[in-house]
Amino acid sequence: EVQLVESGGGLVQPGRSLRLSCAASGFTFDDYAMHWVRQAPGKGLEWVSGISWNSGSIGYADSVKGRFTISRDNAKNSLYLQMNSLRAEDTALYYCAKDIHPDYCSGGSHTFQHWGQGTLVTVSS
Amino acid sequence: QTVVTQEPSLTVSPGGTVTLTCASSTGAVTSGYYPNWFQQKPGQAPRALIYSTSNKHSWTPARFSGSLLGGKAALTLSGVQPEDEAEYYCLLYYGGAQPFVFGTGTKVTVL
Repeated sequence: EVQLVESGGGLVQPGRSLRLSCAASGFTFDDYAMHWVRQAPGKGLEWVSGISWNSGSIGYADSVKGRFTISRDNAKNSLYLQMNSLRAEDTALYYCAKDIHPDYCSGGSHTFQHWGQGTLVTVSS
Repeated sequence: QTVVTQEPSLTVSPGGTVTLTCASSTGAVTSGYYPNWFQQKPGQAPRALIYSTSNKHSWTPARFSGSLLGGKAALTLSGVQPEDEAEYYCLLYYGGAQPFVFGTGTKVTVL
């Protein structure tokens, strides 16, 4: 059974940093691209970032580019999101999601097949 | 900035049929946008239903189907059940620097 478990969320002041983690199990982690998707309270879904199976290709939404860094450790079956210079508008539930493709942005079929339960990030003074 | 638009809300009777649509601000949605559909119930993570326009995941009930309709992606629920009441999001693939854009979401009420 595929399991994705996010952690690392919490309350943080504007301008500070936070690192999210996603522990994966139940599948061959280094065969698939992974993504972070967020959902602000009462709002819709927003793709944040994606990373290919070997970290060779990475992408970010414009809203987080230059502030967030996605990474993965295939030996530890883990996905990370380093979030710096946090803003109030980054307040959201952050989900990690597994793709069906090894590249995060390949020009082929993609889907966010499996999702974790999310970790809540609140940016407030 | 690309915007993907869905109906804000739809109401359907149990056993009825409802079609949700997903439109792109860039023009007609084609199979090359690899439309996806997700279901989200309150307090739960999204669940994948449809990918690449019409492909179902192993857990997707047969009453859900995806298609292209009039330049939009569409999700049809046939024989709606009370448990289908949820928010539904589409996702389109644009490639490039901002490859994935979610739709605005449709709240489906079964009444």
